[in-house]
Amino acid sequence: KAGVTQTPRYLIKTRGQQVTLSCSPISGHRSVSWYQQTPGQGLQFLFEYFSETQRNKGNFPGRFSGRQFSNSRSEMNVSTLELGDSALYLCASRRDRGLTEAFFGQGTRLTVV
Amino acid sequence: DQQVKQNSPSLSVQEGRISILNCDYTNSMFDYFLWYKKYPAEGPTFLISISSIKDKNEDGRFTVFLNKSAKHLSLHIVPSQPGDSAVYFCAATKSTGGSEKLVFGKGTKLTVNP
Repeated sequence: KAGVTQTPRYLIKTRGQQVTLSCSPISGHRSVSWYQQTPGQGLQFLFEYFSETQRNKGNFPGRFSGRQFSNSRSEMNVSTLELGDSALYLCASRRDRGLTEAFFGQGTRLTVV
Repeated sequence: DQQVKQNSPSLSVQEGRISILNCDYTNSMFDYFLWYKKYPAEGPTFLISISSIKDKNEDGRFTVFLNKSAKHLSLHIVPSQPGDSAVYFCAATKSTGGSEKLVFGKGTKLTVNP
């Protein structure tokens, strides 16, 4: 079956702009989580959505937001981009809220210049 | 405050030998632990997990050991193969509440030399 699909794979934006990243989970998976990976901080949890509701949120400023649609696809948005937002953004899907393994997409590499 | 720590940024072993990757955590509320492997330009791939009610879980060449009193877990790979060369992340979570917030360590880069 198809894996987690993230689009676009690469993105270059200018400081101050906004960006929207997309994640299509594995068919049948209703939980989608987003993570930011940077060399200095490693993988950090952004937020998790389940059945269109945000279930949990990490320690990121309000410029980072997300949503989930009825088909479980999710988007995350970052407004007023800063240079420090340059990172690999990873999406993970899980069948439900239980302790099942998370499947990650290949990520979107965002570069802010 | 880093709740999950992987103190060795890198590890190099010979093919066929054992690789031992270590991970320490500080939050006693964590009760479920996972290991992920990551190749460059790819997302992390789930390897193996362990619940806090166990002290060992095995899957083929991979074994995870959990020492709750020491808040320490380790991943053993036996025998190590060149294809195991990757960055390994330890992750932890609390199983209550239903939400799955994984807290990751910063990773250990494993190099298996032929």
